[in-house]
Amino acid sequence: NAGVTQTPKFQVLKTGQSMTLQCAQDMNHEYMSWYRQDPGMGLRLIHYSVGAGITDQGEVPNGYNVSRSTTEDFPLRLLSAAPSQTSVYFCASSYQGQGATEAFFGQGTRLTVV
Amino acid sequence: GQQVMQIPQYQHVQEGEDFTTYCNSSTTLSNIQWYKQRPGGHPVFLIQLVKSGEVKKQKRLTFQFGEAKKNSSLHITATQTTDVGTYFCAGSRGNEKLTFGTGTRLTIIP
Repeated sequence: NAGVTQTPKFQVLKTGQSMTLQCAQDMNHEYMSWYRQDPGMGLRLIHYSVGAGITDQGEVPNGYNVSRSTTEDFPLRLLSAAPSQTSVYFCASSYQGQGATEAFFGQGTRLTVV
Repeated sequence: GQQVMQIPQYQHVQEGEDFTTYCNSSTTLSNIQWYKQRPGGHPVFLIQLVKSGEVKKQKRLTFQFGEAKKNSSLHITATQTTDVGTYFCAGSRGNEKLTFGTGTRLTIIP
């Protein structure tokens, strides 16, 4: 049972480039979310989804897009990378959202924008 | 918006000493979760507290949820090197988003 799988694990981008961070879960969870982690700031919610076809913004959505075409996948797109987006990105899934049940996190993607 | 603060930001303890981290919310929470993140790793769920004044134990870890459901604490008795990592609380107001605290990084001096 793989749980939550994120790819890639590491990525270096040049300013202005775009890319997609992949996230897949095999637990049939309805709720999925993306966080970024920066030193001293904990985990901040970027976007989340309560089910296929439904997405919403979190605390820091600017510069990021998401879509949820299937229950399993929840990709995060950086439209035009900026140095301020250098961070560690975590995808998470849970049976229910809004903290009702435990969240399972992927291994993370360490992104550097130069 | 909802804010969740944790103190201290860092804690260095001698192996065998106790450790406590505190979590405070600006608003009343419906529940609170605790996660542990090892260095270089990802957050891993530890526990969830729902009831006012609730206390739960997991071996050497004791979790408390305040009577007013605005604060929580995690206490580790007799720390071991395996306890190293960052501990996060995360609170929710039910139908609102889960908000993570800033975390407490624990280092152990052997």
